[in-house]
Amino acid sequence: DTGVSQDPRHKITKRGQNVTFRCDPISEHNRLYWYRQTLGQGPEFLTYFQNEAQLEKSRLLSDRFSAERPKGSFSTLEIQRTEQGDSAMYLCASRLSSSGNTIYFGEGSWLTVV
Amino acid sequence: GESVGLHLPTLSVQEGDNSIINCAYSNSASDYFIWYKQESGKGPQFIIDIRSNMDKRQGQRVTVLLNKTVKHLSLQIAATQPGDSAVYFCAENRQKTSYDKVIFGPGTSLSVIP
Repeated sequence: DTGVSQDPRHKITKRGQNVTFRCDPISEHNRLYWYRQTLGQGPEFLTYFQNEAQLEKSRLLSDRFSAERPKGSFSTLEIQRTEQGDSAMYLCASRLSSSGNTIYFGEGSWLTVV
Repeated sequence: GESVGLHLPTLSVQEGDNSIINCAYSNSASDYFIWYKQESGKGPQFIIDIRSNMDKRQGQRVTVLLNKTVKHLSLQIAATQPGDSAVYFCAENRQKTSYDKVIFGPGTSLSVIP
């Protein structure tokens, strides 16, 4: 499978715990994006990377959220001290900046905070 | 009980009929538009895109129309099939600036009646 891969697909955690999601983009895609989606809404932009550099962060990304892409390949999104409002699907997408503007999404990681 | 906050526009069509899904955008600086299909529990899937220097673009069973005068985008699906049942999102991007994030509209839920 050469698509965007996300892990885990589902995570249930207690309020106050930390969680980490991993994204493996399509091979050689230099841009990687994180989005959040709640039920009945469209995906909301969180942040994006070009290679290992984090170029933009949404105001939705509070101090409890941190994203990294240390080697310019896979990325992690960590949420510290989770709150019930963090319950959502976290989507990763990628594209090659020199080859069109369409971003391709993974299947998402569902987070439920109880 | 009734769900609070869910207000997804819906469209029901008979199998075999054509579907038209509409989308309005607000940012006149947007110059690239994409339609995504999202099935329940999955990530958004690319359908078709169009640049602002075009009025129409056709794919397999799908056509996207762009009216920049009224900032309106539509997706036409020919001979709608049960497998087309999903939520459809229009999305926009601006290619000519350093701004590089795809912004999603609210989505339309399409139901195909067999």
